[in-house]
Amino acid sequence: QVQLVQSGAEVKKPGASVKVSCKLSGFTLTESSIQWVRQAPGKGLEWMGGFLPEEGETIYAQNFQGRVTMTEDSPTDTAYMELSSLRPEDTAVYYCAMVRGVINTWLDPWGQGTLVTVSS
Amino acid sequence: DIQMTQSPSSLSASVGDRVTITCRASQSISSSLNWYQQKAGKAPKVLIYAASSLQSGVPSRFSGSGSGTDFTLTIATLHPEDFALYYCQQYYSPQHTFGQGTKLEMK
Repeated sequence: QVQLVQSGAEVKKPGASVKVSCKLSGFTLTESSIQWVRQAPGKGLEWMGGFLPEEGETIYAQNFQGRVTMTEDSPTDTAYMELSSLRPEDTAVYYCAMVRGVINTWLDPWGQGTLVTVSS
Repeated sequence: DIQMTQSPSSLSASVGDRVTITCRASQSISSSLNWYQQKAGKAPKVLIYAASSLQSGVPSRFSGSGSGTDFTLTIATLHPEDFALYYCQQYYSPQHTFGQGTKLEMK
């Protein structure tokens, strides 16, 4: 059974960076891909980026380019999402999700989410 | 970016009703569309991928249709556990995008 377990909640000040981890079990990172989605309080889902099998590379959403870095550590089957220059509007729950499929892709399963609060 | 617009934004219905949610893309996306369900305080869960393929384990009362720019998610007979938020997502463009969501509430 595939499971993604994310790191705990974070509180950061504006201008700081946050690094969220996502540990995969039941699959290895070498045989799977991870994408990231966030959800501000009371708002909808926002795709942040990740590895796109159909493109064969990591793609970042234009809204986050220059501020986000997504990495993977294969020996520990852990993916990371680091967001820098944080502002209050980055307060959100951040989700990692496993990518299924190659040409047609979908996200399943998802991690439990990590709340990141940006406040002075 | 491809914009995804869902309608309605909210919907009141009763157990046993047939419900349809629509998702429109700002340009053709072929069949590159997924539907997700999200319950309060939980992560989203995929229901339909590639516009009409039912994800394993998802009840058959859920179905998806459409191609090009217009897509629908249909729940044939509403069950109590179906009251939730629903999102469409396109993956035709490398810049994947979600619709704004549809809240399905109990009447």
